[in-house]
Amino acid sequence: NAGVTQTPKFQVLKTGQSMTLQCAQDMNHNSMYWYRQDPGMGLRLIYYSASEGTTDKGEVPNGYNVSRLNKREFSLRLESAAPSQTSVYFCASSETGRNQPQHFGDGTRLSIL
Amino acid sequence: EDQVTQSPEALRLQEGESSSLNCSYTVSGLRGLFWYRQDPGKGPEFLFTLYSAGEEKEKERLKATLTKKESFLHITAPKPEDSATYLCAVLTYNNNDMRFGAGTRLTVKP
Repeated sequence: NAGVTQTPKFQVLKTGQSMTLQCAQDMNHNSMYWYRQDPGMGLRLIYYSASEGTTDKGEVPNGYNVSRLNKREFSLRLESAAPSQTSVYFCASSETGRNQPQHFGDGTRLSIL
Repeated sequence: EDQVTQSPEALRLQEGESSSLNCSYTVSGLRGLFWYRQDPGKGPEFLFTLYSAGEEKEKERLKATLTKKESFLHITAPKPEDSATYLCAVLTYNNNDMRFGAGTRLTVKP
């Protein structure tokens, strides 16, 4: 019972490098989310996909792009990484919409030097 | 601006010592309030959703309550395995915005 799977679990980048964080869910959920979690702060929404083919900006979208590849997969791309993007990134999914409980992956710990 | 504040930041209890965690919010219109548990190195795990003032939900040693300005997570006779960070999140009618609190880190000592 995998739920939400994120890869990689850890990554170190240099400033200016690009990378894509992968997320897949096997619960047949319609909605998917990307958050970042920083010490002393709550989870902050980066992007949201209500359903396959749609994406919307969240609270902190600058410096990120997303792709809802299909119903299962939702990727997050950093085009030119900056030290301020050092964080733990969580992907989540819910059946339909934000008023449903969200199921989270175990995160990607990203350090940008 | 919508805000969610959790207190205390950290709480240390002895096993069996009951207590409460607080989540206060100032939002334009509440659609729902969610409680999650997060273990170190893991993603948050859903516990409860509350939708209207006066509502209560229970699960094992945990009980969540909701008023018009805050929610409490009551922990009765906690055990060491209840040690975790507890997060609350508020969903508002304002653009369906979801705001998370910073969490309360609970440690229960045997």
